[in-house]
Amino acid sequence: KQEVTQIPAALSVPEGENLVLNCSFTDSAIYNLQWFRQDPGKGLTSLLLIQSSQREQTSGRLNASLDKSSGRSTLYIAASQPGDSATYLCAGHSGANNLFFGTGTRLTVIP
Amino acid sequence: NAGVTQTPKFQVLKTGQSMTLQCAQDMNHEYMSWYRQDPGMGLRLIHYSVGAGITDQGEVPNGYNVSRSTTEDFPLRLLSAAPSQTSVYFCASSYRTGANGELFFGEGSRLTVL
Repeated sequence: KQEVTQIPAALSVPEGENLVLNCSFTDSAIYNLQWFRQDPGKGLTSLLLIQSSQREQTSGRLNASLDKSSGRSTLYIAASQPGDSATYLCAGHSGANNLFFGTGTRLTVIP
Repeated sequence: NAGVTQTPKFQVLKTGQSMTLQCAQDMNHEYMSWYRQDPGMGLRLIHYSVGAGITDQGEVPNGYNVSRSTTEDFPLRLLSAAPSQTSVYFCASSYRTGANGELFFGEGSRLTVL
């Protein structure tokens, strides 16, 4: 079974900082990896999807990378803003119809 | 564009009662799924469907039933609610199977079983 870990569980940064969120997984045969954002009391919003054949994806100020050999993915957020405050979750697919989720990193960007 | 719509948003049940959580999507997605989110445990897959008439179990299926009579709808049934089923439930859909496609989530249904 795929195990997905996100460290730290919570992170506070001042506005404008660049930051990196980490995600590690146990099964290197991962099919793809997705990063989601969850606001309090809301559903998940897909941010980036990295397919098996890709190493990274970019969308605006966000960049996600995937290193299958080391079992890691990172989400880089440039020039953080208070509106980026949310919980960020990563989820990995190992070929079956199941996504294995981490427990998330709760990000607070302080104005 | 409504996306994935879940109802109800909140529900309180007594132990032993039954209920159905509704999920509908208007994106013509073949893949639909139900997850539950519990503190400290992340999201876990309950049941999923890769098309009308096809359903399968996920990681935590006990106590839940599903059916998929149309592409649009994927209801989740609790036949005899238990306090352990207190959770936030999310429906998600994808154009392709969950292994390949971007997942779109509903806003969740918060269930409390007393």
